[in-house]
Amino acid sequence: AQSVAQPEDQVNVAEGNPLTVKCTYSVSGNPYLFWYVQYPNRGLQFLLKYITGDNLVKGSYGFEAEFNKSQTSFHLKKPSALVSDSALYFCAVRENYGQNFVFGPGTRLSVLP
Amino acid sequence: DADVTQTPRNRITKTGKRIMLECSQTKGHDRMYWYRQDPGLGLRLIYYSFDVKDINKGEISDGYSVSRQAQAKFSLSLESAIPNQTALYFCATSVPGLDTGELFFGEGSRLTVL
Repeated sequence: AQSVAQPEDQVNVAEGNPLTVKCTYSVSGNPYLFWYVQYPNRGLQFLLKYITGDNLVKGSYGFEAEFNKSQTSFHLKKPSALVSDSALYFCAVRENYGQNFVFGPGTRLSVLP
Repeated sequence: DADVTQTPRNRITKTGKRIMLECSQTKGHDRMYWYRQDPGLGLRLIYYSFDVKDINKGEISDGYSVSRQAQAKFSLSLESAIPNQTALYFCATSVPGLDTGELFFGEGSRLTVL
């Protein structure tokens, strides 16, 4: 069965500093990996995905993520955090040839001015 | 206008009442989903539909039912609401294909069952 772990409930970072939000996954086949962001009182918005190819994936708003097959990880990163990046971030996995997405519990990112 | 629209956005009801949450989309996607969000649990799949004639149970379908009235409309019903169904509910759509597949979400429907 598929599963996703986000080991940190909360990540705090100062504005201008780099940020990392961690995600590890478990699937039996090839993983399709996604990051979504949720701002207060809003639905989830797609940030980026890894399907195949280059392990470093670039997405919206300056975010990127690195797929590491040996560590079964897909950490979200940004070189310089903005206060406006403060939100709830979800990692999700979809198993190759599978039908559905499994979401992690979410990590709340707070960027402090 | 939003591509995926949910109504109502907020609803407070009492135990035992029947509730319907509605979702409509203008994206032309065949696949539609209902998820439930609870703090610390992420999103859990309730039901999904890959076309009008295809309805499938998700991880937590007990106590819920759905109706796919048209390609663009997918409704979630709670026949007899109970307090532990208090949650934020999301409708989502996607296109088929292993090289795409990201979900597009509505703004959510917050349901409180007293």
